Amino acid sequence: GAVVSQHPSWVICKSGTSVKIECRSLDFQATTMFWYRQFPKQSLMLMATSNEGSKATYEQGVEKDKFLINHASLTLSTLTVTSAHPEDSSFYICSARGNYGYTFGSGTRLTVV
Amino acid sequence: GQNIDQPTEMTATEGAIVQINCTYQTSGFNGLFWYQQHAGEAPTFLSYNVLDGLEEKGRFSSFLSRSKGYSYLLLKELQMKDSASYLCADYNQGGKLIFGQGTELSVKP
Repeated sequence: GAVVSQHPSWVICKSGTSVKIECRSLDFQATTMFWYRQFPKQSLMLMATSNEGSKATYEQGVEKDKFLINHASLTLSTLTVTSAHPEDSSFYICSARGNYGYTFGSGTRLTVV
Repeated sequence: GQNIDQPTEMTATEGAIVQINCTYQTSGFNGLFWYQQHAGEAPTFLSYNVLDGLEEKGRFSSFLSRSKGYSYLLLKELQMKDSASYLCADYNQGGKLIFGQGTELSVKP
């Protein structure tokens, strides 16, 4: 079956620093990847859609300069949270769309102190 | 735009049946997904409905009525491990999965 590997699973960083989260499709090619954010006891909120080789499309209200998305290959997309602040602390999940539908990564718990 | 609505929380008894409803208003509907999510974990796929009717898969069934913008997830023979959040998600023309707020189900002994 389709597997998506997401790293790291958790990260603690200092306010003002940047954090990179990787999402890799292991056994299929993902032409499109999605990035979600989830606050405690809330649902998944779509942040952006990334297509291989092109610029990401951001949802309304999501700062593209703060959340940098790169989808350089059909198996790898990265999300970089730049100049992180405590309010960016959240659970970030990627999802890759392939022939088997949507496959989710295991998520990254980001804590900014 | 899209608007997906489901109850925030529900409680049921082990061994019972529970129905979780989801209503949606969306442009460019292409199907409806149900996912299960345990706290701190990624969602796991339960079902996908694109045509009207009931899809049964073991203890879980999902129903869709496109004309009414309505779906439900039916869980039978509830087990303690079924305590989780259940998310309905609309698959729209843009190919995006847009989630409802999720229903937190608590299964009591």
